[in-house]
Amino acid sequence: DVKVTQSSRYLVKRTGEKVFLECVQDMDHENMFWYRQDPGLGLRLIYFSYDVKMKEKGDIPEGYSVSREKKERFSLILESASTNQTSMYLCASRTPTVRNEKLFFGSGTQLSVL
Amino acid sequence: GQQLNQSPQSMFIQEGEDVSMNCTSSSIFNTWLWYKQEPGEGPVLLIALYKAGELTSNGRLTAQFGITRKDSFLNISASIPSDVGIYFCAAPTNNNDMRFGAGTRLTVKP
Repeated sequence: DVKVTQSSRYLVKRTGEKVFLECVQDMDHENMFWYRQDPGLGLRLIYFSYDVKMKEKGDIPEGYSVSREKKERFSLILESASTNQTSMYLCASRTPTVRNEKLFFGSGTQLSVL
Repeated sequence: GQQLNQSPQSMFIQEGEDVSMNCTSSSIFNTWLWYKQEPGEGPVLLIALYKAGELTSNGRLTAQFGITRKDSFLNISASIPSDVGIYFCAAPTNNNDMRFGAGTRLTVKP
């Protein structure tokens, strides 16, 4: 069964801390994505990666960076966490196909920045 | 930009009622998708639509790809308590990423 695993379900961090959110997929997917989910705003794309060591900015990359050193792992980094980064973070992956549609999501990490 | 405007934002319905939600955009898309997110989980794909005018069903769910390619509709017939969740429309963009609507939160009262 396909699986996207996010390392933490809940995280509480302090303002100014460096935060790592980890995501691992076991499906050998080329593409991986990080979204944040906020009430009334839906899912907004932070960064995505076509393949190993490749990354593209999404709609809201400010305050975030990413790392894709291995195909199965896509990390989201908050260099200096701020309270407005309190949110649900969702990782997803897919294999690019002609129709390019099916994203597989992890269960999410609820991050609270105090 | 390629924004997806989804409505309604939330719905409170009685078990057995039918549900309709829709998604519109000022941009044309070649694919429309509908995802469902249950509490504590990530979204899961329900239905994918590939052709303008296409009508596709998945059990009690029916979705349509608008003829202008700028909108899509999702209907749920005879709702049951396990239909509770957040429903998202989505569409792949020319940049190869995936854009999502703001979601429709569905509550079903038994």
